[in-house]
Amino acid sequence: QKEVEQNSGPLSVPEGAIASLNCTYSDRGSQSFFWYRQYSGKSPELIMSIYSNGDKEDGRFTAQLNKASQYVSLLIRDSQPSDSATYLCAVNQAGTALIFGKGTTLSVSS
Amino acid sequence: EAGVTQFPSHSVIEKGQTVTLRCDPISGHDNLYWYRRVMGKEIKFLLHFVKESKQDESGMPNNRFLAERTGGTYSTLKVQPAELEDSGVYFCASSLPGLAGGEQFFGPGTRLTVL
Repeated sequence: QKEVEQNSGPLSVPEGAIASLNCTYSDRGSQSFFWYRQYSGKSPELIMSIYSNGDKEDGRFTAQLNKASQYVSLLIRDSQPSDSATYLCAVNQAGTALIFGKGTTLSVSS
Repeated sequence: EAGVTQFPSHSVIEKGQTVTLRCDPISGHDNLYWYRRVMGKEIKFLLHFVKESKQDESGMPNNRFLAERTGGTYSTLKVQPAELEDSGVYFCASSLPGLAGGEQFFGPGTRLTVL
């Protein structure tokens, strides 16, 4: 069974700090890796996608992928209270169904 | 550009009744996916359309669920008859055709409660 594992949290960080979110996946055939942000009662919002080993930066967000270790992470720099949400890690093979983790709840205190 | 839309946003029905959920994908997105999140669990895949064809329906829980995508535009998901365990949030997502279709964009979801 293909699985994606995330710590459920909550992960609590002070405003301005770096938040580090981690994810591992079981299917070595996974090709695409995504981070979604979900506010309570809202839909998952795609914030980062990464397809090759290494780092990918977009504003305050950096996604890191290590296929050998089957590990994906998301760093949020200069965390803001508005970043408080549940972050979902999802993986798939190109164009197929996403496999989601249960999500990590992030709380940023001002 | 309009995002993925879903209707209704909430539905409360009695066990044994029928409910039909609708999803309108982003224009030009050939790929349409249905997912479900039940309380305390992760979001799980139900099925995948490419245009009007079912590409993968391996996640459909049983034959009480019927999905259609006539004409390759909007999709409906019918639950008949509904059971208590069908309660949850049903999400629809869409993506571009072919190899460009990596990123899936989600609709707001339909919260289904079966009493």
